[in-house]
Amino acid sequence: GENVEQHPSTLSVQEGDSAVIKCTYSDSASNYFPWYKQELGKRPQLIIDIRSNVGEKKDQRIAVTLNKTAKHFSLHITETQPEDSAVYFCAASWSGSEKLVFGKGTKLTVNP
Amino acid sequence: DAGVIQSPRHEVTEMGQEVTLRCKPISGHNSLFWYRQTMMRGLELLIYFNNNVPIDDSGMPEDRFSAKMPNASFSTLKIQPSEPRDSAVYFCASTPQGRTDTQYFGPGTRLTVL
Repeated sequence: GENVEQHPSTLSVQEGDSAVIKCTYSDSASNYFPWYKQELGKRPQLIIDIRSNVGEKKDQRIAVTLNKTAKHFSLHITETQPEDSAVYFCAASWSGSEKLVFGKGTKLTVNP
Repeated sequence: DAGVIQSPRHEVTEMGQEVTLRCKPISGHNSLFWYRQTMMRGLELLIYFNNNVPIDDSGMPEDRFSAKMPNASFSTLKIQPSEPRDSAVYFCASTPQGRTDTQYFGPGTRLTVL
């Protein structure tokens, strides 16, 4: 079945710096890649997603890139702020399936 | 819309007791998912339903776990008997009609089994 690897498990940056989180997937049939943000004690919430027919998608300070050949996708956060501190999860799904397979998460800390 | 609703928000019980977690999906959503989250194992899909029918229960740990969805607006996850290793946060999520990939999570139930 599908497997999603996520790195790093923890990431600490200074306010204003950029943060990059990377994920790899195993199933070449995967075609949907969402990213979720989970603040402490809260539920995971979708922040951005990308489908396999697109190589990059941007929404203000966050962007996601997808490399189908290498089977990896990345989350980029620019001009980080303390409120970006949270656990970020990548996930993958494939055509015909409603299941999402999640990575193990990255704890991002933005230091003021 | 109130979003996905889960109850209770917190549950503390003793080993061997039966635990029932409840979920109300967003109105009009046709798929419902139960997840378990722990530090060690991350977010694990336990089971999901489409139009009230269980589609994939391969993530259910063992026979002590069962889930039902008697109608489009209600689902339960039951653990009987509960064990300390079942302690986790259990999330319910639902997806909209026609957009089965986007999942909206409920606030979760934090279960502690003593």
